[in-house]
Amino acid sequence: QKEVEQNSGPLSVPEGAIASLNCTYSDRGSQSFFWYRQYSGKSPELIMSIYSNGDKEDGRFTAQLNKASQYVSLLIRDSQPSDSATYLCAVNTYNNNDMRFGAGTRLTVKP
Amino acid sequence: NAGVMQNPRHLVRRRGQEARLRCSPMKGHSHVYWYRQLPEEGLKFMVYLQKENIIDESGMPKERFSAEFPKEGPSILRIQQVVRGDSAAYFCASSRGRDNEQFFGPGTRLTVL
Repeated sequence: QKEVEQNSGPLSVPEGAIASLNCTYSDRGSQSFFWYRQYSGKSPELIMSIYSNGDKEDGRFTAQLNKASQYVSLLIRDSQPSDSATYLCAVNTYNNNDMRFGAGTRLTVKP
Repeated sequence: NAGVMQNPRHLVRRRGQEARLRCSPMKGHSHVYWYRQLPEEGLKFMVYLQKENIIDESGMPKERFSAEFPKEGPSILRIQQVVRGDSAAYFCASSRGRDNEQFFGPGTRLTVL
C-alpha cells in the first residue's frame, strides 16, 4: 500500500463546476496535510494546509480532513480553465523527517 | 520577498561528468529538502538538511549522490559521474521548521546526454 494515494485521474470538469480531489494516507500518526498545485513544467505551489479535522476554506478552495478515516480532500468551487493542473497531496508525520507526496491528480477544466 | 532560489535552471551534462545543483532557501528558513521528479511522475524525497547537518538522506541513492548545507552559502546537491537515468527535474524546498509548510524553488532541469 502506498503511503499517500490519490485519484489516478485524469479528472475533467466543465467550467463553473466543483472539482473534488481525494487523498488517503496510511500513517495514522500523520499530523500535517498539504495540497500543492503544479502546472506542467513548473514547480509545486502550496495552495492549502490543514492540521485538524473538519473543513478549511480559502477563497474557492476548501480542504477537508478526516483523521479517523485517514482521508483528506480538496474541493475547488467555480472551477476555471486556469485551475487545470496536477494537484499533489502531501502528508507529514512526526515519525518521518520527510513529506510524503501522492502521485498527483491531473485536473482539466473545460471552457 | 525572495522565494526559494535554485540555479542553474537548466543543466546539460555528458555521461560521466559531475552535476552541481544549488539551492538558497527563503529568508528565515533553515530547513532544506531536495526532491527529484521524473517526467509524468510524482515527487520523490531525496534528502532533508538543516544548517551543517544531514537529517535524513533515506531517499538518496547510496552512490554518486551527496548533499550539503554549509553554515554559509546555499545547499548543494552533487551528482558524480552522471548517467542518463539521472535526467530529471530536481526541486529544492525550504521550511521554517520541520512541520511547517514547504515552499518550492523553480527547479533545475538536468539533462544527461
